[in-house]
Amino acid sequence: GAGVSQTPSNKVTEKGKYVELRCDPISGHTALYWYRQSLGQGPEFLIYFQGTGAADDSGLPNDRFFAVRPEGSVSTLKIQRTERGDSAVYLCASSLERGIEQFFGPGTRLTVL
Amino acid sequence: GDSVTQMEGPVTLSEEAFLTINCTYTATGYPSLFWYVQYPGEGLQLLLKATKADDKGSNKGFEATYRKETTSFHLEKGSVQVSDSAVYFCALSENTGGFKTIFGAGTRLFVKA
Repeated sequence: GAGVSQTPSNKVTEKGKYVELRCDPISGHTALYWYRQSLGQGPEFLIYFQGTGAADDSGLPNDRFFAVRPEGSVSTLKIQRTERGDSAVYLCASSLERGIEQFFGPGTRLTVL
Repeated sequence: GDSVTQMEGPVTLSEEAFLTINCTYTATGYPSLFWYVQYPGEGLQLLLKATKADDKGSNKGFEATYRKETTSFHLEKGSVQVSDSAVYFCALSENTGGFKTIFGAGTRLFVKA
């Protein structure tokens, strides 16, 4: 079946702009995670959804970052007033409700000029 | 907080050489441990996992044993191939309502023919 998909694959924006990154999880997966991977580093946890609700948003770096999952499937990560330091690959992963194995999407590479 | 430390790369080996990538962790509870692999131009894939002490995870000739007494989860392979060239990430997750994953910084492996 289809894996996790993320769009766009690449996003270039200017400092101060607003961006939205989309994640389509595997059908039937109720858990959804966002991570950020900076160059040469491992992925860093941002936020976790169980169904429609954000169960753990402790990894969001500041209030410019926000994520939603209104119908318990597709999720959107929103970044306001982007800064050059936000440049990274943003990864989405999904899993079954109590599954420890997460399936990762290909990521969105965000570049803030 | 929880953390993962893995050996720095890059690691360069000749084909058929023995591979070890060291990984140690710090956790407050009883985490599950993982090795993920990122091949050039591809997304993050789960390579193997172990969910409790003394468990051995294995896949594609790779193995790692969950050692609680030394808080380690070293990755080994007896005979590497050129196709094993990739970045390898050690990771842990604990059931904190979800399974947010903490990753190490990654170890890049180059295998020469």
